[in-house]
Amino acid sequence: EAEVAQSPRYKITEKSQAVAFWCDPISGHATLYWYRQILGQGPELLVQFQDESVVDDSQLPKDRFSAERLKGVDSTLKIQPAELGDSAMYLCASSSLRDTQYFGPGTRLTVL
Amino acid sequence: DAKTTQPNSMESNEEEPVHLPCNHSTISGTDYIHWYRQLPSQGPEYVIHGLTSNVNNRMASLAIAEDRKSSTLILHRATLRDAAVYYCILNSGGSNYKLTFGKGTLLTVNP
Repeated sequence: EAEVAQSPRYKITEKSQAVAFWCDPISGHATLYWYRQILGQGPELLVQFQDESVVDDSQLPKDRFSAERLKGVDSTLKIQPAELGDSAMYLCASSSLRDTQYFGPGTRLTVL
Repeated sequence: DAKTTQPNSMESNEEEPVHLPCNHSTISGTDYIHWYRQLPSQGPEYVIHGLTSNVNNRMASLAIAEDRKSSTLILHRATLRDAAVYYCILNSGGSNYKLTFGKGTLLTVNP
């Protein structure tokens, strides 16, 4: 069964450093989502792509976060500089248009 | 998206049915009711969704009240692998198909 791949699974960094997360969606899925999940809460959407275009980044802290999906396939989420409050699980999901979202295993970020 | 209300936690015994409630009194006519669950240390996974009629699939059943202001996710025979956080989410199915997660219900299954 096809799955969403994410790497790394775990990342520890010091504040003010740059970090990057990678996501490879299920083949053929045009829509890709990045979520952030703080411990004890549900996932919060950061950015949504349709192919290579951003369709919703209203909750993305654009002063330090950036996301790209250059060829409309895999995607990278970057944080620069990382802050203590960025410690969370970062989840990637993909879907066909207006269909079920399939989530990857996530990247657990710890900022020291 | 309209708001949902779920109990913070529920407990069940293995091999017994589980009924997970969700209130959504401000649901609109075009809102679908979606259920996702998140097992420990994993990303969320789709469980089931419906609009007006009750729905069944291999994982669960979804019972929707006639006025659509509440719904219930039914696990017919809980197993230890069903221990997870269950999220009830409304989505109008618009072009963005955005899911807004709440805190969900933490289901504990006792052996």
